[in-house]
Amino acid sequence: DQQVKQNSPSLSVQEGRISILNCDYTNSMFDYFLWYKKYPAEGPTFLISISSIKDKNEDGRFTVFLNKSAKHLSLHIVPSQPGDSAVYFCAAIDSGNTPLVFGKGTRLSVIA
Amino acid sequence: DVKVTQSSRYLVKRTGEKVFLECVQDMDHENMFWYRQDPGLGLRLIYFSYDVKMKEKGDIPEGYSVSREKKERFSLILESASTNQTSMYLCASRHGGTAEAFFGQGTRLTVV
Repeated sequence: DQQVKQNSPSLSVQEGRISILNCDYTNSMFDYFLWYKKYPAEGPTFLISISSIKDKNEDGRFTVFLNKSAKHLSLHIVPSQPGDSAVYFCAAIDSGNTPLVFGKGTRLSVIA
Repeated sequence: DVKVTQSSRYLVKRTGEKVFLECVQDMDHENMFWYRQDPGLGLRLIYFSYDVKMKEKGDIPEGYSVSREKKERFSLILESASTNQTSMYLCASRHGGTAEAFFGQGTRLTVV
């Protein structure tokens, strides 16, 4: 049973436009959410996170929104750049020592 | 900067061989993890360790074992490699009680 779901395997966006990546979760005990970015043949790198007590967190071009009642979060990238082309993983955790639970990832392609 | 180093970037092994994947971190992190990444399946947890000598099974432990004799090192062992273990293997570490995990560069293992 998948606790973290990324229902779009891929997304294509034009350079300069907004990219919106979505993530749904089923475990109401999750209290922290993270986004990771992964290039081919490299390990994932941390991008941005949000605590369950917040509904928005912003870092430069990246903003994560959390809707707890809908068990949904999204990552917005504005403006999108070709270097943003990568696989993005949504992850969640319910307490400090449990492992991160990852979604299957969304491949973002930013077209120049 | 946190550094998580995996011993090999690319590895080719024969079916039935015993394979060792090594991971070392330099930030005195308590928690360490092994994931594998396969197309369309995302990151799946194989084993994790809360501290030295401790280990816990993840979601897909069959065919694998681990060793954590020193805090900085977490080894993944494929007891008898099979072709369905061909994958990208990712090691990660983090401080206990925190969410953000830091990943190594990955090991692309091919079993022939």
